[in-house]
Amino acid sequence: DAGITQSPRHKVTETGTPVTLRCHQTENHRYMYWYRQDPGHGLRLIHYSYGVKDTDKGEVSDGYSVSRSKTEDFLLTLESATSSQTSVYFCAMKGPTGTDTQYFGPGTRLTVL
Amino acid sequence: KQEVTQIPAALSVPEGENLVLNCSFTDSAIYNLQWFRQDPGKGLTSLLLIQSSQREQTSGRLNASLDKSSGRSTLYIAASQPGDSATYLCALLPRDSNYQLIWGAGTKLIIKP
Repeated sequence: DAGITQSPRHKVTETGTPVTLRCHQTENHRYMYWYRQDPGHGLRLIHYSYGVKDTDKGEVSDGYSVSRSKTEDFLLTLESATSSQTSVYFCAMKGPTGTDTQYFGPGTRLTVL
Repeated sequence: KQEVTQIPAALSVPEGENLVLNCSFTDSAIYNLQWFRQDPGKGLTSLLLIQSSQREQTSGRLNASLDKSSGRSTLYIAASQPGDSATYLCALLPRDSNYQLIWGAGTKLIIKP
């Protein structure tokens, strides 16, 4: 394993509630990413981070926010969950300088009722 | 805008056959291209990464090629086994990106015993 975990692994919530997903890495890598994966769409980038407190929007950032107060933790928050945010969420990190490989967490399956 | 396409979306072949998975892209200005494997309910695992200056990379029974001029990459799997059953995704890193990958939707491969 590349040292990246996600929690929770599964979550069911109701429309309108806030939800926070956590990504934790033990590799001290600079770049981290949040993706969502939906049938027929492949992976779509939500937000990414290139350092502590340095984040930027991806392709599908509306309704999501992120925070990175420590190198090892990257949090994704759904401010007010909607049914369209039902998805599988993956966190990833880029390998060390000199490598562009991304290492993925196991994913979080989120269901918004 | 760069687009990545993987056709077919699904493929079923008998065990032992050699097979080719395809990935096409619309803009040749790429830094590299990667192939990933995803098992059901799991995260993604990087298989091979080809830099833009390279033509191919090999790992065991896998060989990935890159032809920027035609906007095409292929993943060749030799002597397929049931354990190769998974979804295979390609992703490329454009030259003008901040380490943001652009993903294909994947090909679901089933190897029949």
